[in-house]
Amino acid sequence: DIQMTQFPSTVTASVGDRVTITCRASQSVSDWLAWYQQKPGKAPRLLIYKASRLHSGVPSKFSGAGSGTEFTLSISSLQPDDSATYYCQQYSNFYSFGQGTKLEIK
Amino acid sequence: VQLLQSGGELKKPGESLRISCEASGYNFTTSWIGWVRQTPANGLEWVAIIYPDDSDSRYSPSFRGRVTISADTSISTTYLIWESLKASDTAIYYCGRLPFFYDGSEFLGMGAFDIWGQGSQVTVSS
Repeated sequence: DIQMTQFPSTVTASVGDRVTITCRASQSVSDWLAWYQQKPGKAPRLLIYKASRLHSGVPSKFSGAGSGTEFTLSISSLQPDDSATYYCQQYSNFYSFGQGTKLEIK
Repeated sequence: VQLLQSGGELKKPGESLRISCEASGYNFTTSWIGWVRQTPANGLEWVAIIYPDDSDSRYSPSFRGRVTISADTSISTTYLIWESLKASDTAIYYCGRLPFFYDGSEFLGMGAFDIWGQGSQVTVSS
């Protein structure tokens, strides 16, 4: 199994800030990496696939980077609506998710 | 394009259960579709996936033997089935579509869940 580790577990930022979340794989997943946003009581929403490809309809304030074992999700111009938990997921060898990063906007 | 899941279920240990996920707005037979479990303790875990056109299926080792995934192409619906529930099956279960991504003629892989159902809460308690 490929283990996915995200950090930080929680991040607090201000409106207008830029934040970066990191996801590390226990072995190389090439660029088979997706990012999701999940709000309480809702299903996850796909933001990024293939490490850096913005999914249709997702605003360009979200961006992904990385390959191999280290990946980042960056969110710019933070707004209160960006408050959510963000998950990475590898799909190099079946599927596994990170434990999530909770983003709080103060 | 949407996935509509069946409602929440309250079951007793040892009972059987089938939850469903009805697809609409796209060709159901030509995308993989799967189930993901979410619990506070373990977060998001993939359970199983199926290709409805030929019912080719794959299971997570953590769930193989515990659940069965199936699909009915006549009604564009996929199912997750338990024969004997345990308390540890208590969770929210999501279905999700796994499309083949392309940029023009360039194949960009398959494995990201682009459309999700609303979730089905399964509670197993005596």
